[in-house]
Amino acid sequence: GAVVSQHPSWVICKSGTSVKIECRSLDFQATTMFWYRQFPKQSLMLMATSNEGSKATYEQGVEKDKFLINHASLTLSTLTVTSAHPEDSSFYICSARGLRGNQPQHFGDGTRLSIL
Amino acid sequence: GENVEQHPSTLSVQEGDSAVIKCTYSDSASNYFPWYKQELGKRPQLIIDIRSNVGEKKDQRIAVTLNKTAKHFSLHITETQPEDSAVYFCAASRGQGGSEKLVFGKGTKLTVNP
Repeated sequence: GAVVSQHPSWVICKSGTSVKIECRSLDFQATTMFWYRQFPKQSLMLMATSNEGSKATYEQGVEKDKFLINHASLTLSTLTVTSAHPEDSSFYICSARGLRGNQPQHFGDGTRLSIL
Repeated sequence: GENVEQHPSTLSVQEGDSAVIKCTYSDSASNYFPWYKQELGKRPQLIIDIRSNVGEKKDQRIAVTLNKTAKHFSLHITETQPEDSAVYFCAASRGQGGSEKLVFGKGTKLTVNP
């Protein structure tokens, strides 16, 4: 149980393109999903907390207009990197937490984004 | 805000030996401490977690200890195997079960030599 699916797993696109990444909880409902960014050989840095039906809470230094988050249902959150540039290239990972109390976060497989 | 320090950054052991990774945290309100294992290019996988009302938890070869007074917690892996080689991250959260955001340590690259 507690499977989180993330799609796509790999994206290569030109500078200026907008890229949408999906995060789905497959076998549980998640009121809260989290979006992280991870640079090579570094730790996971939280970008934003996504709550179903409300606006996301962004961490300090993360541009809301650059990284658009939508959490329209209890099983789906999306992250859109708008007008992506080479410095946005990174590994993006989502996690989801179940509805019931004391549920740990489960991570998706991540999306490797490369902007040319 | 919370700050999590993790040591060492790299750890190399011989197969069969034990490995210990230590983390300290700054926020006394943190009450949930998970450990994740991440293999290269893959997702972090929860391997064990501990809540602040418990001092120690064990799952086969893996154990975690928590000292709330000193604000530190440790991961212990016994009888290490080559497949234990990975990057291990500790994390801390105010919410039970990670309901609130997790703050991660910088990670420890564990290499188990056959």
